[in-house]
Amino acid sequence: KAGVTQTPRYLIKTRGQQVTLSCSPISGHRSVSWYQQTPGQGLQFLFEYFSETQRNKGNFPGRFSGRQFSNSRSEMNVSTLELGDSALYLCASSQTGSTDTQYFGPGTRLTVL
Amino acid sequence: AQSVTQLGSHVSVSEGALVLLRCNYSSSVPPYLFWYVQYPNQGLQLLLKYTSAATLVKGINGFEAEFKKSETSFHLTKPSAHMSDAAEYFCAVSDKGYSTLTFGKGTMLLVSP
Repeated sequence: KAGVTQTPRYLIKTRGQQVTLSCSPISGHRSVSWYQQTPGQGLQFLFEYFSETQRNKGNFPGRFSGRQFSNSRSEMNVSTLELGDSALYLCASSQTGSTDTQYFGPGTRLTVL
Repeated sequence: AQSVTQLGSHVSVSEGALVLLRCNYSSSVPPYLFWYVQYPNQGLQLLLKYTSAATLVKGINGFEAEFKKSETSFHLTKPSAHMSDAAEYFCAVSDKGYSTLTFGKGTMLLVSP
């Protein structure tokens, strides 16, 4: 069974641009969560989607948004990029997001110049 | 609000020595607790999870953790360290189910020959 895949793996953008990251969950998984990992703040929860609906949201500004498609694939978008958005963005999937195990992808490394 | 404190950003041990990584949590409700490991340039891999079934939890690669409610702790141990255990370890807590995790800052485990 294929694991969680994230594309692209690396991305370089400049301040003010926007970016879209993609996550394909494990087949059969309907819950997708996104996390931001930085050296200063560590791992922080962004949001979770289940059956195309945002079910939980972390404490991030509105520039961070996401969506989930009917095949459970998810995208997250960051608009008006800031230097502080440079981070590793991790996606995790699970069957229901309730009591089953979350499996993480390798992440997308975003660098904002 | 829930939180996780990991004591020691770096822990050094010799190969064959006991590994002890400390984690204390705060949560207003009985928590779900997790330990994840992250190898360089990779995502997170679940080592073990506590779901109130048993206080001593056994995970993969010989790791185990004990839930102590009175001490609000969930320390990770391994009797004998291997070189391959060198990685960063994260403790996490959730009171909404597995999909919304609050992580500690992480502990880098260094293993010397």
